[in-house]
Amino acid sequence: QSVLTQPPSASGTPGQRVTISCSGSSSNIGSNTVNWYQQLPGTAPKLLIYSNDQRPSGVPDRFSGSKSGTSASLAISGLQSEDEADYYCAAWDDSLNGHGVFGGGTKLTVL
Amino acid sequence: QITLKESGPTLVKPTQTLTLTCTFSGFSLTTSGVGVGWIRQPPGKALEWLALIYWDDDKRYSPSLKSRLTITKDTSKNQVVLTMTNMDPVDTATYYCAHNVYEFTFGGLIGIYSDSWGQGTLVTVSS
Repeated sequence: QSVLTQPPSASGTPGQRVTISCSGSSSNIGSNTVNWYQQLPGTAPKLLIYSNDQRPSGVPDRFSGSKSGTSASLAISGLQSEDEADYYCAAWDDSLNGHGVFGGGTKLTVL
Repeated sequence: QITLKESGPTLVKPTQTLTLTCTFSGFSLTTSGVGVGWIRQPPGKALEWLALIYWDDDKRYSPSLKSRLTITKDTSKNQVVLTMTNMDPVDTATYYCAHNVYEFTFGGLIGIYSDSWGQGTLVTVSS
């Protein structure tokens, strides 16, 4: 199982706001920044949010990230059909000489 | 513009060693704060972080796979190579390489993110 814990699925209707949670520990989210990746079907992951709440150029401001303690969240407002994808949280983990960790992924369905 | 592309065998036999090459452009692996990492994804499953190499040749590995992985770089060729020994059918996955950016504060490293990814290469392990 993954080091970071995400719900396996989430859903919403067009226009709604949905949130996806990511839970970790003191050695990863608790002491390092959180990133979020979007993976559309059949494609490579794409960086969606970095450094907890920063959006790369080109990412709509409908996507936002936050972090508190050992947990983080991704929020998507004004849900659109093209947002249907898998979403992964990730962070650096300071244990065992340092390594990256991912969440198990959340499949977002737009109803 | 940063681009990365993975190359290597599509089929390997159990117990063999896998060698994957990531060829990149648009950045230099001699630039401070830059790295290249490898991530894999078994069919229908989640992403799994494997390894990364820093601009200064420091390396980090997944603790669960450390004994089987080696990551190296050739800055003159703009390539990073990942080798994984003793391949098993459970290692069947799409393998991605990615450009990594390091975040530092006065206290040290606080995070790393992958802002550009290759298209991935599917490696099947089967006899």
